Amino acid sequence: GAVVSQHPSRVICKSGTSVKIECRSLDFQATTMFWYRQFPKQSLMLMATSNEGSKATYEQGVEKDKFLINHASLTLSTLTVTSAHPEDSSFYICSAPITIGQTNSPLHFGNGTRLTVT
Amino acid sequence: DQQVKQNSPSLSVQEGRISILNCDYTNSMFDYFLWYKKYPAEGPTFLISISSIKDKNEDGRFTVFLNKSAKHLSLHIVPSQPGDSAVYFCAASALNNAGNMLTFGGGTRLMVKP
Repeated sequence: GAVVSQHPSRVICKSGTSVKIECRSLDFQATTMFWYRQFPKQSLMLMATSNEGSKATYEQGVEKDKFLINHASLTLSTLTVTSAHPEDSSFYICSAPITIGQTNSPLHFGNGTRLTVT
Repeated sequence: DQQVKQNSPSLSVQEGRISILNCDYTNSMFDYFLWYKKYPAEGPTFLISISSIKDKNEDGRFTVFLNKSAKHLSLHIVPSQPGDSAVYFCAASALNNAGNMLTFGGGTRLMVKP
């Protein structure tokens, strides 16, 4: 069964509004979670690393004021797309390491959130 | 600059035959490689991984081969089954980049025909 739960799976919003996406680790604690974005027919691109209890680390080119990440607990990370625009329409996926404490642990991915901004 | 490349966007294979998916990388700091399988509207599912200290790792029908000198890895699926039809991503990480941070290739869509 799924060990990383992501919600919502699909959201349609109007331009200028904000959307929050939740990522929960089920039955395990995740001090680190990763947020990826996938545009159609493209690869998954790492957006940011979410760290429990501290600020997220953003990849180059990702606006931290636009994509707000909060990792308030060991089982929950949220990504808020603020003032969304049509170009933010994409597939957003969160992930967490399968094995806690193992640096090279494969990642479990959530089922993703399809965001459409009209 | 794409550090992980999957040059074949799609591959079609007959059921029962071998599927070979290829992946090339450019960053010599990568030391851990993974293959993920992805269905539409779902997140990727981990399949198999290999550390740079090995050249082969096998798990059931899936085998990953790593050629460090050529900076090339491949995923072999044998025998291929229709349920294997999906997009396959290879990914790489470097230990000095917190290990879990993955760089993905562009994916290869595998179609296994009955």
